[in-house]
Amino acid sequence: EVHLVQSGAVVKKPGESLKISCEGSGYKFSSNWIGWVRQMPGKGLEWMGIIYPGDSDIRYSPSFQGQVTFSADKSISTAYLQWSSLKSSDTAVYYCARSPCSGGICSGNFDFWGQGTRVTVSS
Amino acid sequence: DIVMTQSPDSLAVSLGERATINCKSSQNILYTSNNKNYLAWYQQKPGQPPKVLIYWASTRESGVPDRFSGSGSGTDFTLTISSLQAEDLAVYYCHQYFNTPYTFGQGTKLEIK
Repeated sequence: EVHLVQSGAVVKKPGESLKISCEGSGYKFSSNWIGWVRQMPGKGLEWMGIIYPGDSDIRYSPSFQGQVTFSADKSISTAYLQWSSLKSSDTAVYYCARSPCSGGICSGNFDFWGQGTRVTVSS
Repeated sequence: DIVMTQSPDSLAVSLGERATINCKSSQNILYTSNNKNYLAWYQQKPGQPPKVLIYWASTRESGVPDRFSGSGSGTDFTLTISSLQAEDLAVYYCHQYFNTPYTFGQGTKLEIK
């Protein structure tokens, strides 16, 4: 069974760095895209971008390009989302989700989601 | 970027009645070479991650009740819940995956009347 397990909630101060994780299991991690989605308090879903762990191909949304960094370690089936300098506006729940590929054909929708990581940035 | 616009923003429906949510894309999201519309629908209940209901505009995800259906093509799409159940209280999002950046609609909050 496919599972995505994310790291726990964190509280950080503005200007601090942060790296959150998303560990996949129950499928071939390196052969399916992993996406990141932001949900600010009381708001909707925002597509941040996707990474292909097999070769670390990345597509960022222009809204998030330069603000965050995606990475993945296929040897431990884990994807990461990191910030070098957090802002209060980064306060949100961040979800990772699998974008499935089959027979070399990838869709783009998300079929399995992590439980979310709540990031609070406050002085 | 492709802009996804849902209507209405919120909807109150009686139990057992039909609920209809619309989603309009700013560009065509039908890929003519495979005749697939690159659109998904998700349900998000309070405090939970989203859950996929429909992909390729009309393919129901395994395990999703058949009261949920998706229709439409090109730029105009609809999610229909044929007979509303209490557990369908949620926010529903459409999502285009035709071109990056992939984008979501703003969400439709479904309430029980």
